[in-house]
Amino acid sequence: TQLLEQSPQFLSIQEGENLTVYCNSSSVFSSLQWYRQEPGEGPVLLVTVVTGGEVKKLKRLTFQFGDARKDSSLHITAAQPGDTGLYLCAGRNTGGFKTIFGAGTRLFVKA
Amino acid sequence: GAGVSQTPSNKVTEKGKYVELRCDPISGHTALYWYRQSLGQGPEFLIYFQGTGAADDSGLPNDRFFAVRPEGSVSTLKIQRTERGDSAVYLCATGSSGANVLTFGAGSRLTVL
Repeated sequence: TQLLEQSPQFLSIQEGENLTVYCNSSSVFSSLQWYRQEPGEGPVLLVTVVTGGEVKKLKRLTFQFGDARKDSSLHITAAQPGDTGLYLCAGRNTGGFKTIFGAGTRLFVKA
Repeated sequence: GAGVSQTPSNKVTEKGKYVELRCDPISGHTALYWYRQSLGQGPEFLIYFQGTGAADDSGLPNDRFFAVRPEGSVSTLKIQRTERGDSAVYLCATGSSGANVLTFGAGSRLTVL
């Protein structure tokens, strides 16, 4: 069974701080995605990484895919209250179309 | 439509009743997924359709759960003899063929009393 473990589960920080959240698995994924979900809404895709070692930047967010394609990290620089939400990583299994999700990191950024 | 539409947005039912949850995908999206999200958890895969057929239904928890997509567009998730443990938000996501980019609906919140 493929599992994605996210850490930390919960993070409360002050505006302007930096943070990193992690997504780890013992399985190899063909691609890994990060989503952000707000209360009462579905997850919204932030980024997809497909190549081991790949780094993608989206404004203040930096995403990295591990060399072995088993893990990923999301780094946020100078967090803002608008970054508050549930951050989910999701992996697609090799050779298939099933996308599985981690339990998420709930981020709260205080003004 | 412009986005993935799910109805109803909220459903309260009694234990033992039958419920149907509907998903209207983005026009032209052939891939359709159903997920279940419990409080404080990530979405849990239930079933994946490519066109009209269920390509992977390995996530359906038991035979009380069934999903159809008869014309390759709208999908209905059907739950028989509901139990309190079925209470969750049921999310639908759709994508183009290959479906590496999924667009989610806002979900249907099911509460079983």
